[in-house]
Amino acid sequence: DTGVSQDPRHKITKRGQNVTFRCDPISEHNRLYWYRQTLGQGPEFLTYFQNEAQLEKSRLLSDRFSAERPKGSFSTLEIQRTEQGDSAMYLCASSPGQGYNSPLHFGNGTRLTVT
Amino acid sequence: GIQVEQSPPDLILQEGANSTLRCNFSDSVNNLQWFHQNPWGQLINLFYIPSGTKQNGRLSATTVATERYSLLYISSSQTTDSGVYFCAVPNTGGFKTIFGAGTRLFVKA
Repeated sequence: DTGVSQDPRHKITKRGQNVTFRCDPISEHNRLYWYRQTLGQGPEFLTYFQNEAQLEKSRLLSDRFSAERPKGSFSTLEIQRTEQGDSAMYLCASSPGQGYNSPLHFGNGTRLTVT
Repeated sequence: GIQVEQSPPDLILQEGANSTLRCNFSDSVNNLQWFHQNPWGQLINLFYIPSGTKQNGRLSATTVATERYSLLYISSSQTTDSGVYFCAVPNTGGFKTIFGAGTRLFVKA
């Protein structure tokens, strides 16, 4: 069990650029989640995958955001035309099992700064 | 959706002191997690505790699901306990987990 891995750890980009983040969940975890956390707040849900299927998306996920999990393993989160308001920590989590009784395991996050 | 409230929002302790953090939730849940977010932003699992009491070293947690609250106890606090403590519960009828706003703990040496 190597834990949830996220890459990069930090990303600084200029407004209007596109960025892509990667998440590698714990192997054999079929559930994968993306969260966003701004300073002083708790993590906010963005989207959820069961294997390769994206089953839930938050209203926070505007049309500039897209997430994929093409083979049911790693996932990517892309932000197009970044805005300063996108500056945040982006957290990925995975969990095993089919029901609700599955604890979340988080990666170390990707901290995005949009200048 | 479910509401999660944590108290107190901020807490300052002298090293060695004990404390109790509280998490209230507005609907019935079938799981609950406590996390510690360290100053580097890493979210660390403390407890997965849908009901009952669990202990891990100086930390313990109790969830009373029928009364919709959970408590996290920290005994003999250390400076390394500083950070933000979150509780999180699944949203009613969906897949997402909802976090409280957290309790920010600072332990003074």
